[in-house]
Amino acid sequence: GDSVTQMEGPVTLSEEAFLTINCTYTATGYPSLFWYVQYPGEGLQLLLKATKADDKGSNKGFEATYRKETTSFHLEKGSVQVSDSAVYFCALGQTGANNLFFGTGTRLTVIP
Amino acid sequence: GAVVSQHPSWVICKSGTSVKIECRSLDFQATTMFWYRQFPKQSLMLMATSNEGSKATYEQGVEKDKFLINHASLTLSTLTVTSAHPEDSSFYICSASGAGYEQYFGPGTRLTVT
Repeated sequence: GDSVTQMEGPVTLSEEAFLTINCTYTATGYPSLFWYVQYPGEGLQLLLKATKADDKGSNKGFEATYRKETTSFHLEKGSVQVSDSAVYFCALGQTGANNLFFGTGTRLTVIP
Repeated sequence: GAVVSQHPSWVICKSGTSVKIECRSLDFQATTMFWYRQFPKQSLMLMATSNEGSKATYEQGVEKDKFLINHASLTLSTLTVTSAHPEDSSFYICSASGAGYEQYFGPGTRLTVT
């Protein structure tokens, strides 16, 4: 079945450091891939997405490229800020289906 | 953007009692709502999908008689945990989608059963 494996946290970085959170997936067909972010006390928000191989999703300085050959969708940011501290979830969704498959989430803490 | 609220944000109840959690889409009509459960350090697990006016579709292994879902309007879905037990303690999250397939998530409800 479809599944997502996400890098375990927590991750602690200093401000302006480079961030990578690994995400790999197992799926049939051609799923869409997502990164969601959950700030303290809030619901999950869509951060970025990619719907086909080699697509790059980007938002707020974060990027992730849909790599079919390595079944990966790693999240990167060149210079993190304290305000990026949150829990990040990688997710997979099949075309035409409503449900999403989530990774376990990675808690990021950025210290000044 | 689309906003989804949940109420209550946290609840403590005694074993054997029932608890109702509300999920509301505040600024859009949600034709489909989803209920997830999240255990500590684990991913969100889909419990059920409900379409307005229809019976919910439960995922395998989720007891429909224990987790009652009602989606009576385009802005409200409720999850009732009946005869709650300590193993039902968890973080329950709802999401809603409207015309598109994107899901908008509520902030979650932490349930503790003593």
